[in-house]
Amino acid sequence: DAGVTQSPTHLIKTRGQQVTLRCSPKSGHDTVSWYQQALGQGPQFIFQYYEEEERQRGNFPDRFSGHQFPNYSSELNVNALLLGDSALYLCASSLDTGTNAYNEQFFGPGTRLTVL
Amino acid sequence: AQSVAQPEDQVNVAEGNPLTVKCTYSVSGNPYLFWYVQYPNRGLQFLLKYITGDNLVKGSYGFEAEFNKSQTSFHLKKPSALVSDSALYFCAVRGENSGGYQKVTFGIGTKLQVIP
Repeated sequence: DAGVTQSPTHLIKTRGQQVTLRCSPKSGHDTVSWYQQALGQGPQFIFQYYEEEERQRGNFPDRFSGHQFPNYSSELNVNALLLGDSALYLCASSLDTGTNAYNEQFFGPGTRLTVL
Repeated sequence: AQSVAQPEDQVNVAEGNPLTVKCTYSVSGNPYLFWYVQYPNRGLQFLLKYITGDNLVKGSYGFEAEFNKSQTSFHLKKPSALVSDSALYFCAVRGENSGGYQKVTFGIGTKLQVIP
């Protein structure tokens, strides 16, 4: 059973460009969350998708947007890249329905984004 | 707003000795607490969680954590440290689900170094 997969592994962009990161959740999971982990910091919650809709959002600007597909996979899009967007972007999947709302998250290996 | 504090940037312990990684939290309502471990260039791996019930929670790789409501703490412990336990450890908290999703908040992380 494949766990959470993310692509690409590494990405180098320049300021002002746009980037799309992709995530496939663990089999059986229906919820995908995205996190930004800057160097030396803990993961910061960007947003979560459930049933193809953004369910909750952290303190990130509108430049960060996402999408969830019917097969539960997800994309994270970042527009107008800034130097400060350089970080490890983590995708996490979980099964969050009804009384299972407190299940742990399973994380992918992340995408390392470098903005020059 | 919910928050997590990990007061130690790094914890050094000799192999075979007991280890403790500290975590305190702040959240409205009942807390749901998690510990994750991150190895270099990898995503986070779930270790254990506290939802309700026994204050001592046992998890993967011989780790356990003690929930203390009065001290709002959830310290991670292991009776005998292994060199392979050296990694970055994150404490996380999630607020009680009151009809809407409550995001997970992570601490800044504590680097555990086990010395042979």
